[in-house]
Amino acid sequence: GNSVTQMEGPVTLSEEAFLTINCTYTATGYPSLFWYVQYPGEGLQLLLKATKADDKGSNKGFEATYRKETTSFHLEKGSVQVSDSAVYFCALKGAQKLVFGQGTRLTINP
Amino acid sequence: GAGVSQSPRYKVAKRGQDVALRCDPISGHVSLFWYQQALGQGPEFLTYFQNEAQLDKSGLPSDRFFAERPEGSVSTLKIQRTQQEDSAVYLCASSLPRRGGRETQYFGPGTRLLVL
Repeated sequence: GNSVTQMEGPVTLSEEAFLTINCTYTATGYPSLFWYVQYPGEGLQLLLKATKADDKGSNKGFEATYRKETTSFHLEKGSVQVSDSAVYFCALKGAQKLVFGQGTRLTINP
Repeated sequence: GAGVSQSPRYKVAKRGQDVALRCDPISGHVSLFWYQQALGQGPEFLTYFQNEAQLDKSGLPSDRFFAERPEGSVSTLKIQRTQQEDSAVYLCASSLPRRGGRETQYFGPGTRLLVL
C-alpha cells in the first residue's frame, strides 16, 4: 500500500539557516504530494503541493519538487525564521484519502 | 469564507462513555474526511464521505466507531464505549472534487479526546 517516510526530528536550526526536510514515498499509480504544517496550538494547514512528476510546489519561501525517479518530495527553504517553528507533515494522495508521514518538529532559534 | 469547524475542541470522557464529535465542512464541499492523530504521529485516515454516501470506512479501527453525514453537510463521528486507546485528536477535512483527483483537503482545528 501507499506510505510516506519522513526525516525524523526534532530538527533545530538557527535563524537564516538553510532547511531541508526529507520525504520519500511508496505508491501505486501517480499520487499527488503535499506538505502540511501544524503551528503550535493550531490545525493542519496546507503549505504546498505538487500533482505530477517534476512539478515544483512553493509557498512562503518553501519549495518542494516531485521527483518520480527517486520517489521523493523534499521540503527546502533558503533562510528560515523563528516563525517557521512548527511540525511539518509530508503526505500523498492516491484516490481519495491522504497518507501522512510521522511529522518532523522544527524549532528555529533566534 | 469560513473554514472547517469542529466541536467540541476538547472532550474528556470516562472509559465506557459514548462520545459524539461534530464537523462542519466548508460550505459546498462535497467530500468530507475523518482522520485520527495520535500524540506525536501523523494523521491516519478513518473514513470518507461524498455527499451523504460513506464511500470508504476502511480506517475505522473497530465497530465502536461510527460516522454519518445524513444531509451531505455536517458530519458526526461517534465512538461508543470509549477506551483509553481512543485518546487522540480527531481531524475533519473537506474538499471539492477535481478532475484527476487533484483536490486539496482543508482541515479543521480538531477535537482532542482524552479518555480516562
